[in-house]
Amino acid sequence: AQKVTQAQTEISVVEKEDVTLDCVYETRDTTYYLFWYKQPPSGELVFLIRRNSFDEQNEISGRYSWNFQKSTSSFNFTITASQVVDSAVYFCALSEAGGRDDKIIFGKGTRLHILP
Amino acid sequence: NAGVMQNPRHLVRRRGQEARLRCSPMKGHSHVYWYRQLPEEGLKFMVYLQKENIIDESGMPKERFSAEFPKEGPSILRIQQVVRGDSAAYFCASSRDRVGETQYFGPGTRLLVL
Repeated sequence: AQKVTQAQTEISVVEKEDVTLDCVYETRDTTYYLFWYKQPPSGELVFLIRRNSFDEQNEISGRYSWNFQKSTSSFNFTITASQVVDSAVYFCALSEAGGRDDKIIFGKGTRLHILP
Repeated sequence: NAGVMQNPRHLVRRRGQEARLRCSPMKGHSHVYWYRQLPEEGLKFMVYLQKENIIDESGMPKERFSAEFPKEGPSILRIQQVVRGDSAAYFCASSRDRVGETQYFGPGTRLLVL
């Protein structure tokens, strides 16, 4: 069965600190896709990254970086030098390629507060 | 190059009324997904459609909910005889193709049932 677990419900850090959001997933498929989405207070969903299961290279995009470890089924997200504008709910998600559709299974989200 | 459009953004209905939510996918996208987000929860898959076809409706409640994606026009998610428990944010996503293509989400429709 597919499952995405974001154990951290809520995190608060002071601006400029680094923060890591954890994500652990379960799947039986060998080919799958992992995502992170951001939901700011305005409510829309902003796509951040998609990673396929065959690409374990870590990725960096500005202050954002992602650490994909197949051995531990984790896809963690780190924000470096956090800013108040990073305050949002962040969702980790999984999609399996072997099914008849690409429905995305979302974690419950981590609410991140960046304090000035 | 407009993104996924959803309307209305906010919808208020009284119990027993019908709610119609519309979604226009991104240009060139023929795959549409509907998700529901209950308060303080993650998004849950409801239904996946291609033009004129429902591919997977395993996440849709069996009663009162229906979805369509006609040859012309937007995808419609219809909720009949709404109840308070239907209050949620409903998001539509579209993708160009399946097999891991990124789904881009619309801004959502916030439904409030009084």
